[in-house]
Amino acid sequence: NAGVTQTPKFQVLKTGQSMTLQCAQDMNHNSMYWYRQDPGMGLRLIYYSASEGTTDKGEVPNGYNVSRLNKREFSLRLESAAPSQTSVYFCASIVGPSNQPQHFGDGTRLSIL
Amino acid sequence: AQKITQTQPGMFVQEKEAVTLDCTYDTSDPSYGLFWYKQPSSGEMIFLIYQGSYDQQNATEGRYSLNFQKARKSANLVISASQLGDSAMYFCAMREGGGSNYKLTFGKGTLLTVNP
Repeated sequence: NAGVTQTPKFQVLKTGQSMTLQCAQDMNHNSMYWYRQDPGMGLRLIYYSASEGTTDKGEVPNGYNVSRLNKREFSLRLESAAPSQTSVYFCASIVGPSNQPQHFGDGTRLSIL
Repeated sequence: AQKITQTQPGMFVQEKEAVTLDCTYDTSDPSYGLFWYKQPSSGEMIFLIYQGSYDQQNATEGRYSLNFQKARKSANLVISASQLGDSAMYFCAMREGGGSNYKLTFGKGTLLTVNP
């Protein structure tokens, strides 16, 4: 009954440090997504992956890289963290079709000092 | 221009009363869908209800219904018989186009507080 699992749940970094956020889903979903949520902004798409081996930029990709390691796993990397990347990060997945909702993980709260 | 607009930053409702949360959208794509999600203070995103642009009837899911007015480009969420557990942030989101790898655009959300 895991669904979408994100690790870690909390992390504090110093400016300039690197970090990889992990996401795994056990629902055999094809598409996976990374969003960030900032106060008063709603969720904004960073990157997404329509299938294993493919990734595409979303609305706010600058400063991030992603890897679709296999069908289950989609990671988000911050190479050189900046205070502006302090946010809550959500991973989501969907099998389709288009009337089905995206399933979200519980989020990773990331603070960059 | 914003694709999804939620004009109510905060709403208050008395327990057991109905409440409407507003959502307007902007798209030129004839195929689109509207989703509503609930985010309680614990932070998870919970799917509530979906309305497709070609759906003939307004969507309903238990105490949740969607007042879909296509010509006005609005998709308001109606919660009937509010409960204390309904206190949360509510997000409206839109999918444009079809396909199984759709992207969502979210509104900024409405914080609903249910008073006893």
